[in-house]
Amino acid sequence: NAGVTQTPKFQVLKTGQSMTLQCAQDMNHNSMYWYRQDPGMGLRLIYYSASEGTTDKGEVPNGYNVSRLNKREFSLRLESAAPSQTSVYFCASMYGGANNEQFFGPGTRLTVL
Amino acid sequence: QQQVKQSPQSLIVQKGGIPIINCAYENTAFDYFPWYQQFPGKGPALLIAIRPDVSEKKEGRFTISFNKSAKQFSLHIMDSQPGDSATYFCAARAGTASKLTFGTGTRLQVTL
Repeated sequence: NAGVTQTPKFQVLKTGQSMTLQCAQDMNHNSMYWYRQDPGMGLRLIYYSASEGTTDKGEVPNGYNVSRLNKREFSLRLESAAPSQTSVYFCASMYGGANNEQFFGPGTRLTVL
Repeated sequence: QQQVKQSPQSLIVQKGGIPIINCAYENTAFDYFPWYQQFPGKGPALLIAIRPDVSEKKEGRFTISFNKSAKQFSLHIMDSQPGDSATYFCAARAGTASKLTFGTGTRLQVTL
């Protein structure tokens, strides 16, 4: 099992460019999440998908969109990148119900110039 | 609004010491309190978790102490080792359908 995989690992964008961060999990988990991690701010939830076919906003959704492509894949799109979106992005998944553990991917380090 | 407040921001202890990281919350609906450990360049990983019906949970050298009346919980690392050097996040969740709210993290360094 690969667990949670994210691509790319690193990305540099210019202001106004768009890109999609990809996330996939092979653990048959129902819920998937996108977080951003900034120094001194902890992990902040951007969007999540409680189950296939549903998505909801988290704490900091502005400037992002998501797609739950199928049960395995959950992508995060930046339509017009801004320097404030420079961050490390983590995808996570969780089975749900009595199993509360979230499994995190290795992260994508994004720099917007 | 920071719903889970974590302190200290950073901590340096000597090998064998007992670092303590504290978290406080306001939302009395929180019913699940995990701690995550993150090594540089990696994603966070679940370390240990507690529910509010117990006051302490121990797994190996890691212990969570929980004070429901004070709305506080803490992580203790016994006999700390240099390999424990990492960032630690507390978190909380209100109900199985809810999301995790994370603290701001504590960077721990264990020196020889």
